[in-house]
Amino acid sequence: GAVVSQHPSRVICKSGTSVKIECRSLDFQATTMFWYRQFPKQSLMLMATSNEGSKATYEQGVEKDKFLINHASLTLSTLTVTSAHPEDSSFYICSPRSSDTQYFGPGTRLTVL
Amino acid sequence: QQQVKQSPQSLIVQKGGISIINCAYENTAFDYFPWYQQFPGKGPALLIAIRPDVSEKKEGRFTISFNKSAKQFSLHIMDSQPGDSATYFCAASMRYTGNQFYFGTGTSLTVIP
Repeated sequence: GAVVSQHPSRVICKSGTSVKIECRSLDFQATTMFWYRQFPKQSLMLMATSNEGSKATYEQGVEKDKFLINHASLTLSTLTVTSAHPEDSSFYICSPRSSDTQYFGPGTRLTVL
Repeated sequence: QQQVKQSPQSLIVQKGGISIINCAYENTAFDYFPWYQQFPGKGPALLIAIRPDVSEKKEGRFTISFNKSAKQFSLHIMDSQPGDSATYFCAASMRYTGNQFYFGTGTSLTVIP
């Protein structure tokens, strides 16, 4: 199966700092990248969708200036949580899509103190 | 608006039993219905998927049953094992449009030894 990596797997940061999460598709090219967040015992909530080289499209209620998404290449996308606050603590999962199949990264556990 | 409704929210099954999780959708444009398995602290992994031109798909102990007229599909796990204990998500999408996957709310399965 397709390999997707996310880095870091977990991060703890102080309130007010920024955190960058990297997502790489290791053996395929991702034409579309989805970013999800997941709270404990809840389903995946789509945050934004991005196509390589284009600006991301954010879901309603997701602040685009707070969650910066860059999809610079077909194998790399980054999510930067700017000025993180405790309520941003969550499990962030990238999901690259190749043609008709959607894969998921292993997730990044963000804890904001 | 929940595009895909999933039930039950949690399920406890004895080892060797059959686990059944149900999903229903409204949008008849959906043409791809995957099931994902997620272990704690990990990203979802594709388990099995079906298209609406077939009524059943089986892979090992996992079977998807699809009822197009009722707009329902279900996951059956035969001979359930403790290692199957995880959260299962159904999803639906319009496969070739590049649009997002719509996820159910998840079912927490516990298989008791």
